[in-house]
Amino acid sequence: KQEVTQIPAALSVPEGENLVLNCSFTDSAIYNLQWFRQDPGKGLTSLLLIQSSQREQTSGRLNASLDKSSGRSTLYIAASQPGDSATYLCAGHMNRDDKIIFGKGTRLHILP
Amino acid sequence: DTAVSQTPKYLVTQMGNDKSIKCEQNLGHDTMYWYKQDSKKFLKIMFSYNNKELIINETVPNRFSPKSPDKAHLNLHINSLELGDSAVYFCASSQDFREGYNEQFFGPGTRLTVL
Repeated sequence: KQEVTQIPAALSVPEGENLVLNCSFTDSAIYNLQWFRQDPGKGLTSLLLIQSSQREQTSGRLNASLDKSSGRSTLYIAASQPGDSATYLCAGHMNRDDKIIFGKGTRLHILP
Repeated sequence: DTAVSQTPKYLVTQMGNDKSIKCEQNLGHDTMYWYKQDSKKFLKIMFSYNNKELIINETVPNRFSPKSPDKAHLNLHINSLELGDSAVYFCASSQDFREGYNEQFFGPGTRLTVL
């Protein structure tokens, strides 16, 4: 059974620092991996999707990597800003039936 | 605006009632989903439909019945509401789950409170 784990559960860093959020999954049969952010009381915003044939994706200050062999994905945020404060969720798309398994998220707080 | 929309945003109701949540996407996507986010913020898939056909049913109680009148709509009807049904319900869509690139886009959520 696929499990997606995110560490740490919460993180506070000063503004301007670079940071890494970690996601691990137990089943390497993962098809795609998607990172989201969720602001309090809001829906999910898709940040990046990495296809199974890819190793990383970049969007602005965000870079996500995927290593299926080790069962890990990381989300790198460069030059963090207070507006980056949110909960970040990673989700694994299982094979082609697209059942998506979510981690419990990392609550990120950027200190001004 | 192109988006996934849900109504209502908030729903407060008594135990035992029947209620519906509506979802619409104007992204031209073929696949739609319902997720439940519990009080611990854990998100779990409930159903997915592709072009009105049920693809995933995650052993959700049969009090929950999704209905897809067309591929742009996936409504969720809940019978005999129970206290444990209180949660935030999210609708999502993706282009086509059979495609390799299958980014999911989420609606704003419906906060259901059962009293």
